[in-house]
Amino acid sequence: QVQLVESGGGVVRPGRSLRLSCSASGFTFTNFAMHWVRQAPGKGLEWVAVVSTDGSKTYHASSLKGRFTISRDNSRNTLYLQMNSLRPDDTAVYFCATLGFWGQGTLVAVSS
Amino acid sequence: DIQMTQSPSSLSASVGDRVTITCQSSHDVRKFLNWFQQRPGRAPKLLIYDASNLDTGVPSRFSGSGSGTHFTLTINGLQPEDSATYYCLQYENLPSFGPGTKVSIK
Repeated sequence: QVQLVESGGGVVRPGRSLRLSCSASGFTFTNFAMHWVRQAPGKGLEWVAVVSTDGSKTYHASSLKGRFTISRDNSRNTLYLQMNSLRPDDTAVYFCATLGFWGQGTLVAVSS
Repeated sequence: DIQMTQSPSSLSASVGDRVTITCQSSHDVRKFLNWFQQRPGRAPKLLIYDASNLDTGVPSRFSGSGSGTHFTLTINGLQPEDSATYYCLQYENLPSFGPGTKVSIK
């Protein structure tokens, strides 16, 4: 069955970096553009970034001001999100998704 | 960026009621709109894609309609398990979500 499993979340101090991973299985990974979506505690869903099927095109939410970078490794069926200069308001559950299929999310908490 | 609004922000209805949620976009998104259901502590679940197509396995009491800038999600015969927050998402341009509608059971 379709599975998307995020990892790499945790507690991190402001200004530091973190890389999230999402391992995909049960479907043809290379057929789907892949997204990251986040949800701050008690808040709604916020789209973060998308990468094309072959990884050649990426788009990020303008609110991130260039701090985050999405990428993928199709040989490993894995999606990544590199997050730099983290701020407390980046605290959220981060989901990877095709928008049809979703992972269960990984929590990133930015706190001193 | 395309801005999405939803109304109402929350509602309470009885089992068996018909419930309608509205989503509006700031620009024409044609039919590139999905509806999601999210229960507390869970990942979002796709209900409707391309404005009016029911995803596989979704109960037929859910339906979607609309195009352009105005869309609706209808639940015909509300069930206790439908207590959740519902989000619209446009993907005509870079994706953007509506703020959500929380549905509770009286």
